[in-house]
Amino acid sequence: EDQVTQSPEALRLQEGESSSLNCSYTVSGLRGLFWYRQDPGKGPEFLFTLYSAGEEKEKERLKATLTKKESFLHITAPKPEDSATYLCAVQPSTNNDMRFGAGTRLTVKP
Amino acid sequence: GAVVSQHPSRVICKSGTSVKIECRSLDFQATTMFWYRQFPKKSLMLMATSNEGSKATYEQGVEKDKFLINHASLTLSTLTVTSAHPEDSSFYICSARDQGGTEAFFGQGTRLTVV
Repeated sequence: EDQVTQSPEALRLQEGESSSLNCSYTVSGLRGLFWYRQDPGKGPEFLFTLYSAGEEKEKERLKATLTKKESFLHITAPKPEDSATYLCAVQPSTNNDMRFGAGTRLTVKP
Repeated sequence: GAVVSQHPSRVICKSGTSVKIECRSLDFQATTMFWYRQFPKKSLMLMATSNEGSKATYEQGVEKDKFLINHASLTLSTLTVTSAHPEDSSFYICSARDQGGTEAFFGQGTRLTVV
């Protein structure tokens, strides 16, 4: 069965304190791994898609990387406005679905 | 990114009534749309996948007769919660993917409260 596990569940950082969020997955063939940001009471906002091991993508202070077993979302010198829940999802090659992890709630204190 | 509009953003209804939620892709044709339910501080739970012009595929444990999904056009899918009860109160979110695409773009979500 396809599974997505995110850690930690919650992360509190000081402004400027870099860190990484983890997304471990098991899937029957990976079509794509996705990172989203979700603010309270809103729908998820698309950040990145990664397709194959070794791939990296960057956007402002965020960098996503992918291996055959997991993905990391690195946050460099975060700001309070980066506070949100970050969701990881995988799409298996066998169907059209996206399976989400439980998310990491990030809080960045000024 | 592509824009998906979901309406209404909030709705309060009486127990026993039905509520319809709309999900529109504004600048692309969505051959596949997904409906999720999200409980407080929890992740998204896939309810069903709908493909334009065909019946929706429901996840195990999701009642087809209670959560009616229609995907009649390439830009519109609707979720109707029939005979709503307080336990149906939740945050419902749709997402849409265009033909050949892998990314799915999300609507703003609908907060349903059944009183």
